[in-house]
Amino acid sequence: DAGITQSPRYKITETGRQVTLMCHQTWSHSYMFWYRQDLGHGLRLIYYSAAADITDKGEVPDGYVVSRSKTENFPLTLESATRSQTSVYFCASSESWEEQFFGPGTRLTVL
Amino acid sequence: AQKITQTQPGMFVQEKEAVTLDCTYDTSDQSYGLFWYKQPSSGEMIFLIYQGSYDEQNATEGRYSLNFQKARKSANLVISASQLGDSAMYFCAMRGGFKMDSSYKLIFGSGTRLLVRP
Repeated sequence: DAGITQSPRYKITETGRQVTLMCHQTWSHSYMFWYRQDLGHGLRLIYYSAAADITDKGEVPDGYVVSRSKTENFPLTLESATRSQTSVYFCASSESWEEQFFGPGTRLTVL
Repeated sequence: AQKITQTQPGMFVQEKEAVTLDCTYDTSDQSYGLFWYKQPSSGEMIFLIYQGSYDEQNATEGRYSLNFQKARKSANLVISASQLGDSAMYFCAMRGGFKMDSSYKLIFGSGTRLLVRP
């Protein structure tokens, strides 16, 4: 199906484990983004990418790693999960300045 | 630094009435864009409307319109003829700067929860 998908949709993990959240888009958009949503904070940018092999930090990058070897994929890795990383994670993509489309989100719980 | 402020944590509106959701922003950029997203209880983020800082007319999309007052730095969302399905969280967001990579990222407000009463 066309669009932007995220997997898994729900994930429970333990403190200290490595977790990777996947994001895939079929539009061939150049720009991709990872945001996290926490109560009272709206969405905050973790990392973004302007093209394959080009990534940059957002507002809250600590504890996260990204890569973008292919245009359509933008995985987000929590190298050693902490409870403070319990959140809803949204991936988004954009090609024009006037729009940004979001995936369905991944709800991550770190015990 | 850019900032988005949504001062209404929650609002009620009667079905079929119009409602205005407030959004003020702060930026030193001359070129910027303002977005509104809807987040229903199911959790997805749905793009509603966009306004560019150089657009002379207020943006409209169906029942949604954006009341853009540049001098006041406000970008309020107006929903006309509210429907029960409009009950959701609404986020205002901004991107700024000239067309370079970093200007594509969005800064979000904390959101307004709208409840439409039958």
